[in-house]
Amino acid sequence: QKEVEQNSGPLSVPEGAIASLNCTYSDRGSQSFFWYRQYSGKSPELIMFIYSNGDKEDGRFTAQLNKASQYVSLLIRDSQPSDSATYLCAGCYTSYGKLTFGQGTILTVHP
Amino acid sequence: DAGVTQSPTHLIKTRGQQVTLRCSPKSGHDTVSWYQQALGQGPQFIFQYYEEEERQRGNFPDRFSGHQFPNYSSELNVNALLLGDSALYLCASSFGDQPQHFGDGTRLSIL
Repeated sequence: QKEVEQNSGPLSVPEGAIASLNCTYSDRGSQSFFWYRQYSGKSPELIMFIYSNGDKEDGRFTAQLNKASQYVSLLIRDSQPSDSATYLCAGCYTSYGKLTFGQGTILTVHP
Repeated sequence: DAGVTQSPTHLIKTRGQQVTLRCSPKSGHDTVSWYQQALGQGPQFIFQYYEEEERQRGNFPDRFSGHQFPNYSSELNVNALLLGDSALYLCASSFGDQPQHFGDGTRLSIL
């Protein structure tokens, strides 16, 4: 079983819709979770991080964490074509240590 | 304010050779982590350096070694290169419990 698994893609949504990206993790010791966006040929860019159960909002992005269900999600509201990228979910035992990444979900937002 | 910088951007080597990759952390950051990202996969943790010591290590063979200098910059060395070492090598820096930020990476190709 992979430590961090993301919903299989690719995911395609129309412009203006809500994109929902999901991630599950197997290690209950994981405390911190991160979402990175990676454009083709580029490096990962941090979008959101969440440490506590519940929701965390930043602009069009909302991260959700449910430690009991070992589930992390990222919602992107009012999706734009510029949001088209691979989204990587990562977990960490602490807030500063090794990041364990999922395989990524490719998101395409079509006009 | 410069972000994480890596050099070189691209490198071509042949099997059996050795390679050194370099990373300068973002200003104010003191921790450097290295990741390997194969095509279509999420990054895999190699190791993390803090206070010039290897603090944490992933499941990589001893052919992979590193160093951190007093100015917090870091090197990743790979000996006896294999075809399977072809990947994007990412350096990430951080400070304290803040999230890791990635450089643009070094794309290594082994012929």
